[in-house]
Amino acid sequence: AQTVTQSQPEMSVQEAETVTLSCTYDTSESDYYLFWYKQPPSRQMILVIRQEAYKQQNATENRFSVNFQKAAKSFSLKISDSQLGDAAMYFCAYARGGATNKLIFGTGTLLAVQP
Amino acid sequence: GAVVSQHPSRVICKSGTSVKIECRSLDFQATTMFWYRQFPKQSLMLMATSNEGSKATYEQGVEKDKFLINHASLTLSTLTVTSAHPEDSSFYICSALFGGLKRDQPQHFGDGTRLSIL
Repeated sequence: AQTVTQSQPEMSVQEAETVTLSCTYDTSESDYYLFWYKQPPSRQMILVIRQEAYKQQNATENRFSVNFQKAAKSFSLKISDSQLGDAAMYFCAYARGGATNKLIFGTGTLLAVQP
Repeated sequence: GAVVSQHPSRVICKSGTSVKIECRSLDFQATTMFWYRQFPKQSLMLMATSNEGSKATYEQGVEKDKFLINHASLTLSTLTVTSAHPEDSSFYICSALFGGLKRDQPQHFGDGTRLSIL
């Protein structure tokens, strides 16, 4: 079975600084997707960034980028120039490729941004 | 962009009551919707996959008779918690897949429903 592990329950970063959130996963599949979701206090799940396993290039979305290490099964999220609005719970998620897109979530990392 | 509406946002009711939660895709057709449950300070756990026009697929350990799912149209899935008890209190979130069977389609999430059973 596939699993997703986030080893950092809480992280803190100063405003304008950079922070990296860790995620590892376990799968025997070769075709899959990885995601980072943000859940602010409003509780809505917001997609931050996603990575297709077959792509070697790391995904980037403005201030958010990932370091995808397929062999090590690692998928970390880097947030640059952190802003107060980045404070939220961040979930790493895995989905097997194909039609079902069933998401398996990690336990989450609560990110605090200090002014 | 694509929007998923979930209603109600909060429910407080007595033990033994059945509660229905609606999940609607507002500007797209969703052949597949998902229902998740989230306990305080924990991750989202998939409860079931809802497919339009067919029976839902439940995850292991989820009681089908307790959590009834109906996906009668391409824009609406409902989750009914039957004879709810305090242990059913939780945050329930739905998501919808745009475009059905296409690859590379992210899930769009609703705002969630906080269910409190007294």
